[in-house]
Amino acid sequence: DAGITQSPRHKVTETGTPVTLRCHQTENHRYMYWYRQDPGHGLRLIHYSYGVKDTDKGEVSDGYSVSRSKTEDFLLTLESATSSQTSVYFCAINDPFTSTDTQYFGPGTRLTVL
Amino acid sequence: AQSVTQLGSHVSVSEGALVLLRCNYSSSVPPYLFWYVQYPNQGLQLLLKYTTGATLVKGINGFEAEFKKSETSFHLTKPSAHMSDAAEYFCAVSEGGYLGATNKLIFGTGTLLAVQP
Repeated sequence: DAGITQSPRHKVTETGTPVTLRCHQTENHRYMYWYRQDPGHGLRLIHYSYGVKDTDKGEVSDGYSVSRSKTEDFLLTLESATSSQTSVYFCAINDPFTSTDTQYFGPGTRLTVL
Repeated sequence: AQSVTQLGSHVSVSEGALVLLRCNYSSSVPPYLFWYVQYPNQGLQLLLKYTTGATLVKGINGFEAEFKKSETSFHLTKPSAHMSDAAEYFCAVSEGGYLGATNKLIFGTGTLLAVQP
């Protein structure tokens, strides 16, 4: 998985609790992305980062926030988890100077909100 | 806006048969096109991509895809299916560009390939 790890790999939480997912890369890639995968929807972009402290929204950003204080770490936070946020979350990375637009994915985090 | 349509959310083939997974895209600029494969409980792995140049692109595991601009298609094929090909396959499109720039990927909804013995 191209030097990308995600933690935790599985999490069960209750509605209303905060949740933070972590993506860590060892490739020194500039761009990092968070997606969610749901049946019938494919992958949908939540947020992405184009550098330390530089982030932007994707198509399904409501209810999520992100932070990137170091090149290697990109955090996704659900401030108050809802059942509609039950999903599999994937992190991806991209280096536009070596492989334009090609993204490499982590192993995913399965989140269940009860 | 760009979009991707994958025809057939489920495709079943017999082992040894031809695999054909369909992908059509919509883009107002010359696209970059990608196929990714996802095995159960794993992340997405790049199979192949088209950026510029030769329209027939060969990827890993014996897969190939052909970019047909006139048909706005990028179908994935493999001459002979193997049991290990059972997985979900995603087509994706981006706006492409020059080295150093990057664009978001737009994904299709996926096609689950089953291979029957």
